Order: sequence, then structure tokens, then C-alpha cells
Amino acid sequence: DADVTQTPRNRITKTGKRIMLECSQTKGHDRMYWYRQDPGLGLRLIYYSFDVKDINKGEISDGYSVSRQAQAKFSLSLESAIPNQTALYFCATSEGPGSNQPQHFGDGTRLSIL
Amino acid sequence: QQQVKQSPQSLIVQKGGISIINCAYENTAFDYFPWYQQFPGKGPALLIAIRPDVSEKKEGRFTISFNKSAKQFSLHIMDSQPGDSATYFCAASRMDSSYKLIFGSGTRLLVRP
Repeated sequence: DADVTQTPRNRITKTGKRIMLECSQTKGHDRMYWYRQDPGLGLRLIYYSFDVKDINKGEISDGYSVSRQAQAKFSLSLESAIPNQTALYFCATSEGPGSNQPQHFGDGTRLSIL
Repeated sequence: QQQVKQSPQSLIVQKGGISIINCAYENTAFDYFPWYQQFPGKGPALLIAIRPDVSEKKEGRFTISFNKSAKQFSLHIMDSQPGDSATYFCAASRMDSSYKLIFGSGTRLLVRP
């Protein structure tokens, strides 16, 4: 079983719909992250959480919200989806603190908003 | 503002050749420089990383070269193999409590048999 599991793997939805992407991990890591990947732009950080009570905005948090339900679960929500949120979304985890802790990524959710 | 600039966007190399991907950064507070490898349909995975107190780090066929004065670092893949075909991301992390990774834009590498 994967250490970092993202659901769903693919989602097609319409503009204005509320969408939730879920991430669960079995690595026991405190730190969790949500990124979006767009061609030519690399990975950009949306939100990150260092523990259940610590949630922080990343560089592109507008239009997104998150919930850290437990150490192992971190969900990303799009309250009212718009087409420019079409992207590949990744959840990641890491041990902390320390800048040399590798981030472990899930296999992504491909989201298309029509 | 792109803090980590990566080039080229795509790269084609023959089997056995050397693949070179370059990155440049702006923030001198960065103190950790990893490279991530991503295969189609998968998330990125850490490949190799370096700190600015050394100029080179080698792990098998993969080498990071680091030039602190020029604020540049590069990934060299020796004896490139078709199995190395993937997208590669450089990244950098700052010396503060957040340790957030700033990623480059990615390089799609194709190694021809």
C-alpha cells in the first residue's frame, strides 16, 4: 500500500462546484503539504500544516481551503471551482523540523474543471 | 516572482550520454538544494540533495554541482539510460523555521535508446 494516498485520482467537475481532495498517510509524519502542478510552472505550494493545530498558507492559497482532521489526514477544498484551477494536485508529507527532510509525495489527483 | 529558475524545459539525450539540467536561485538564505524525479502518473521523489557547504555531491550516476558565488546548481546524469526518462525538478529551501521548498519549473528528459 502507498505511504501517501490521494483520492480521487481523477475528477472532472463543473465551474462553481465544491470539491474536496483527500490525502491520508501511513508514514507517521507531522508535516503535510498541498501543491499544484502546472506545465511550465513546476510545483507551487497551496497550504501546509506542521501539526493538527498548525495550518499555514502557501504561495497560492486564494480559492482554496484545507482541513487537518488528524495527523494522518489533510484535505484540500475548492469552495467554488473555476477553470483555472484545472491542474494536477499533490499531497506530500515530511518529518520535521529541518530543511533536509525529504518530502514524500502521493501520486496526485488530476482535476479538470469545465 | 520565480525564485528558482530551471533550464532547459526539455532535453533529449542518447543512451550513454550525459544529461545536464541547470538551476539558478536568487535568495542567498537558501541552504538546501534537492532534486526530485517524477515519472508519468507518479508523484515526485527525492533523487539527490546538496547543502551549500560543498561544491559537489555524487550518488551513483547522479551528481549535483553547486556554485555558491554564482547562485547556480546543476544535475548531471552520467551514462544516461532510457529508464532515466522523467521530469526533474530542482528546489531550494530557506534557513527559517518553515523550511518550505521552492521548486523550479521542471525539465522533461527523454533518453533515446
